[in-house]
Amino acid sequence: DTEVTQTPKHLVMGMTNKKSLKCEQHMGHRAMYWYKQKAKKPPELMFVYSYEKLSINESVPSRFSPECPNSSLLNLHLHALQPEDSALYLCASSPAGANTEAFFGQGTRLTVV
Amino acid sequence: DQQVKQNSPSLSVQEGRISILNCDYTNSMFDYFLWYKKYPAEGPTFLISISSIKDKNEDGRFTVFLNKSAKHLSLHIVPSQPGDSAVYFCAASLDNYGQNFVFGPGTRLSVLP
Repeated sequence: DTEVTQTPKHLVMGMTNKKSLKCEQHMGHRAMYWYKQKAKKPPELMFVYSYEKLSINESVPSRFSPECPNSSLLNLHLHALQPEDSALYLCASSPAGANTEAFFGQGTRLTVV
Repeated sequence: DQQVKQNSPSLSVQEGRISILNCDYTNSMFDYFLWYKKYPAEGPTFLISISSIKDKNEDGRFTVFLNKSAKHLSLHIVPSQPGDSAVYFCAASLDNYGQNFVFGPGTRLSVLP
């Protein structure tokens, strides 16, 4: 199994809603990532978990709250988002350690209305 | 400040010819470089990588060249096929308790039949 699975594929939410994005991998990877990608822009790193501990937080607003319940799962909890947060949210995983590639999921297309 | 640059937003190549995609970086601490291919509404797919201790890595039709002194890398695709048409992202990483993959802005490759 070389897949990173993200759910849902599409999400429309209001600015007062609370929702969660989910990501799952069964490759035994111990590093997991959330990226945000706006149209015609590169993916931008949001968070990195290494061995289930948050190791990098790229100054992301607190309305985005990551959670890593175990080594296979990564969640992104969303609350009080703004329309400008609409984007493709990508989850990725990689073996921990140097010089490895990240495998990406298909992404969740989020629209905030 | 962009740490990874891809100065050509787009490139068109005839089927069967060579495609050369270029990437420059500014941070001399980057020690691993990757190329990803992305179709619309999908996550990036890993293509090929190169460690900073090498200057060339080859995988089938794909070859990546690294010139550390110039902080430049390139991806060669030979022969180019219509299915190669996609956006190609150059990425660089620092091992920092889980890797921080920094992406370039991407180059849209169109392979014409």
